[in-house]
Amino acid sequence: QQPVQSPQAVILREGEDAVINCSSSKALYSVHWYRQKHGEAPVFLMILLKGGEQKGHDKISASFNEKKQQSSLYLTASQLSYSGTYFCGTSTSGTYKYIFGTGTRLKVLA
Amino acid sequence: DAGITQSPRYKITETGRQVTLMCHQTWSHSYMFWYRQDLGHGLRLIYYSAAADITDKGEVPDGYVVSRSKTENFPLTLESATRSQTSVYFCASRTGQGRDQPQHFGDGTRLSIL
Repeated sequence: QQPVQSPQAVILREGEDAVINCSSSKALYSVHWYRQKHGEAPVFLMILLKGGEQKGHDKISASFNEKKQQSSLYLTASQLSYSGTYFCGTSTSGTYKYIFGTGTRLKVLA
Repeated sequence: DAGITQSPRYKITETGRQVTLMCHQTWSHSYMFWYRQDLGHGLRLIYYSAAADITDKGEVPDGYVVSRSKTENFPLTLESATRSQTSVYFCASRTGQGRDQPQHFGDGTRLSIL
C-alpha cells in the first residue's frame, strides 16, 4: 500500500517555508525523498534510516518518526528551483522493495 | 558514459502488440526496478530484481514480464499491450551495499498505446 503524502499541492512565495509529510500504515525501515521536475527523472534528495538522525542538505532537511511511521521534509527559505513534485519512497525491514507515495506538487513563485 | 539508460525514449504502439522496454546500467548495481508513473498515482512499482535471475513482483505486475539474465540489463515486456498501460515508465538501480544508498533513475520511456 502506497504511503500517503500531504499536502497534495502547495504554492509558496520565494523565501517561504514548507513542510511535506509522508505517512505509512506499515512499520518503516527507511524513507527516501526525491524531487522530480516536469518531464524529467526523479532526483535523489536524502535517505533516513530507522534509528538514524535527522538529515539536512542546504536548506532542505527531513525527519523520521519511527513510532508514528511518518517522515517530514522541511523546505526552508524556498527558492524558485525548489518547484517540482516531491515523492517519498518507503521500505520495510528486510527488503529493498521501495514503495512511493503519490507525490506533492510544490510551486514557488517569485 | 556510466549511468542508467532507457530505450526507447518514446514509443507508440497498438493494443495487442508486444513491446519491450530496455534498461541498461553500467554501475554493476545489484538491484534494479521498474516503475510506472501516472497522474494521481505517483510512481508505482511493477517489478524489481535483487540480482541476475532473481526477480519479484511489485504493486502492479499484471500484464508485464521481466527477465534479468545479465546484471546490467533489466528489460520490461508488455506481452499484449492494453490502453491502460499507456504511461511513463522509469527504470532505476541501486547498489546492494548498505541501506543508505539511493536509487538512480533513468530518463524514462513515454509509452502510448492506441
